[in-house]
Amino acid sequence: DAGVTQSPTHLIKTRGQQVTLRCSPKSGHDTVSWYQQALGQGPQFIFQYYEEEERQRGNFPDRFSGHQFPNYSSELNVNALLLGDSALYLCASSFRQGSGNTIYFGEGSWLTVV
Amino acid sequence: AQSVTQPDIHITVSEGASLELRCNYSYGATPYLFWYVQSPGQGLQLLLKYFSGDTLVQGIKGFEAEFKRSQSSFNLRKPSVHWSDAAEYFCASSKSGATNKLIFGTGTLLAVQP
Repeated sequence: DAGVTQSPTHLIKTRGQQVTLRCSPKSGHDTVSWYQQALGQGPQFIFQYYEEEERQRGNFPDRFSGHQFPNYSSELNVNALLLGDSALYLCASSFRQGSGNTIYFGEGSWLTVV
Repeated sequence: AQSVTQPDIHITVSEGASLELRCNYSYGATPYLFWYVQSPGQGLQLLLKYFSGDTLVQGIKGFEAEFKRSQSSFNLRKPSVHWSDAAEYFCASSKSGATNKLIFGTGTLLAVQP
């Protein structure tokens, strides 16, 4: 049973460019959340997708957008990259949105903006 | 606002010694509480979680945590630390009954001396 898988593992982008990160949830899961973890910090919630809609959003600008596909996989898009967007981006999945359900994390995508 | 505080940024213990990592939460009601571990360059692995009931929770890898409402704390403990426990530990909370958006602390980096 594959867990949460993310791609790419590492990438380097230039300021002003756009990036797309991808996530496949754990088998049987239908809810995907994205987190940003800056160096030396705890993960911060970006947004959550359920039934192909953004259900909840953290304190991130509109440059951060996402999508969920019918097979429950998800993409995170970041436009107009800033140096401060350099971070580990973690995808998490769970079954339904309920707070009683265990959340599983992928190993993340390391984004470096130069 | 909901928040999680981990007062210790860095802790060093000797192998075989006991361990306690501190976590305090701020939330009007009883939140759902979690401890995650992150090895270098890896994603987050769930150690244990507290939703309700028995305030002493057993997790994987010999870890346990105790929920103390009077102190708004959820400290993680292990009676005998192994060198493989060296990692970063994150305490997190979510609002009970809401979507499973996690609020993380800033983490505690554990070093284990031989």
